[in-house]
Amino acid sequence: EAQVTQNPRYLITVTGKKLTVTCSQNMNHEYMSWYRQDPGLGLRQIYYSMNVEVTDKGDVPEGYKVSRKEKRNFPLILESPSPNQTSLYFCASSLWGGAVPNEQFFGPGTRLTVL
Amino acid sequence: GENVEQHPSTLSVQEGDSAVIKCTYSDSASNYFPWYKQELGKRPQLIIDIRSNVGEKKDQRIAVTLNKTAKHFSLHITETQPEDSAVYFCAASINNDMRFGAGTRLTVKP
Repeated sequence: EAQVTQNPRYLITVTGKKLTVTCSQNMNHEYMSWYRQDPGLGLRQIYYSMNVEVTDKGDVPEGYKVSRKEKRNFPLILESPSPNQTSLYFCASSLWGGAVPNEQFFGPGTRLTVL
Repeated sequence: GENVEQHPSTLSVQEGDSAVIKCTYSDSASNYFPWYKQELGKRPQLIIDIRSNVGEKKDQRIAVTLNKTAKHFSLHITETQPEDSAVYFCAASINNDMRFGAGTRLTVKP
């Protein structure tokens, strides 16, 4: 089954404790992206990647890191989480369409709480 | 950077009526405008999209219109059904940098 998976689905942690949220897709998509979703703010893009070893900042990259060492995986790293990073996180992927994107397929989401 | 505004934030209609959600964007270089539907507790799913070289696109009961001059685009749902109840997000993209609107909560009353 073609899908985007994220792990963990739920995470409660404390301020300053490094964490990684994994994202994996089995559709051979070049493009992958991370979003956070907060009430009243919609979805905001954190980072995106157009292919292996190519990443770029989105709208709200501060406090996050990503890496794209393999085509299928795009982990999101919070080196020192803070309470304002409490949010619902979505990973998404799509076929690379050049300057005009293709349909993005979203993962199931990871609900992160930072105490 | 790009800024996308979406209105209204909530919309309630009777089953069978039409629903219209409007978005404006700030950067004329935006070239891709998708609409996503998100049901409660689920992931966003694309329902329709339009590229900047097209003025209108229709898929059964759903249509999107784009006015590049005014920098706004709209989602039209006709003959609404209770299962259309969800949060709808518009977005605008420049070179794969995607910016979303804040969302519209649509409620279709039976």
